[in-house]
Parts: sequence; structure tokens; C-alpha cells
Amino acid sequence: AQSVTQPDIHITVSEGASLELRCNYSYGATPYLFWYVQSPGQGLQLLLKYFSGDTLVQGIKGFEAEFKRSQSSFNLRKPSVHWSDAAEYFCAVAPPNNNAGNMLTFGGGTRLMVKP
Amino acid sequence: NAGVMQNPRHLVRRRGQEARLRCSPVKGHSHVYWYRQLPEEGLKFMVYLQKENIIDESGMPKERFSAEFPKEGPSILRIQQVVRGDSAAYFCASSRNGANTGELFFGEGSRLTVL
Repeated sequence: AQSVTQPDIHITVSEGASLELRCNYSYGATPYLFWYVQSPGQGLQLLLKYFSGDTLVQGIKGFEAEFKRSQSSFNLRKPSVHWSDAAEYFCAVAPPNNNAGNMLTFGGGTRLMVKP
Repeated sequence: NAGVMQNPRHLVRRRGQEARLRCSPVKGHSHVYWYRQLPEEGLKFMVYLQKENIIDESGMPKERFSAEFPKEGPSILRIQQVVRGDSAAYFCASSRNGANTGELFFGEGSRLTVL
């Protein structure tokens, strides 16, 4: 069965500093990969996704993620964090076929706090 | 353009009561998914529905939980005889089709507290 691990439960960075959130997955083949963001009391918003092709994926709000097959990782990065980026970030995977619908498997999340 | 609408946003129930959570998908979306988020955990898939059909309920507890998505009206997640362990945030998501694009639109969730 697939699984997603986000090793860092909490991360605190200073505003303007760079950010990297880690995500590792366990899956038989290369799954579809996603990052979602959840602001307090809100639903999830899709930041970016990877299906195939270029392993560096650009998303919204200045985020990017890099797929590394050898490490089974899909880490999320941002060069300069803004206070409004404080939220919880979830990595997710889905089976790479069109019959599975959008049944995502989520990691446990990383809560990002931004210091002024 | 209304997004996914869930209500109630907050629901308090005593043990043994029933909880009904409603979800209206994005207009034009015919696929609905329910996820549960326990405190300090990620989201766990519960059930995937199309209009009038349950496609996959592999994440639903075998007892007390049921879901429907009728031809008309919102999708309903029903929890009978709630217990304290049912306290969680329940998120509904919708998509236009079932293709695996990750284009899920999430509601703001319904937070159930069982006393």
C-alpha cells in the first residue's frame, strides 16, 4: 500500500528566508504527486502537482517542488517565505492511472510558522 | 463561482446521537470525495461517490457510517450513534470527472465534536 511521510511536523522560519519541506513516499511505481496547503480553519488548496516529465514543478504562490525518483522524494521549496505562508502543508500521492479517481493518500502534514 | 460548500461548519453531538454532514460540490462537478482529518493527523480518504453511486468506500468504517450523493441535492455523510473517537474535521472535495488529475476542490470542512 502507498504511504507518504512528512518527517517534519513543525518548521519555523524567518520571513524572507528560504524554505524546504520534505516529503517521501512509498509506492510500487511512480505515483502522481501533489502538495496542498491548508490555512487555519480552511479547506485544502492545491499548490502544485507532478505527473511526468520535467522533475522540477512550478506551482502557485512562488512554490516549486522537485521529484527525485532515486530518493522517492518530492520536496517543496520556496526561495523567500512571506508571513502569509504560515499554514499546514500536505504532500499527497495518487495511483498513476485514470481508474482510481482522485483518491489521494496524504502525509501527516508539516505546520509552518513564520517569524517576523 | 461558488466553491465546495459544507455545512454545518461546526457540529456538537452527544454520544449516541446522529451527525449529518452536507456537501454541495462545485457547480458542474459530479464526483464527490469525503476525507476525515483527526487532530494532528493528515487527511484520510473515506469514500468516493458519483451521482447516485458509491464508487469506492474502502476508507469508510464498516459500521455507523454511510454516505450518499443523490441525483438532486447535496452529498450527505451520516454518522449514527456517534462516539468520542468520531470527533474530527470532515472534508468534502469535488472534481469535474474522476480522472486522476489531482484537481480536487476542497470545502472548508465540518468540525464534529462529540461530547
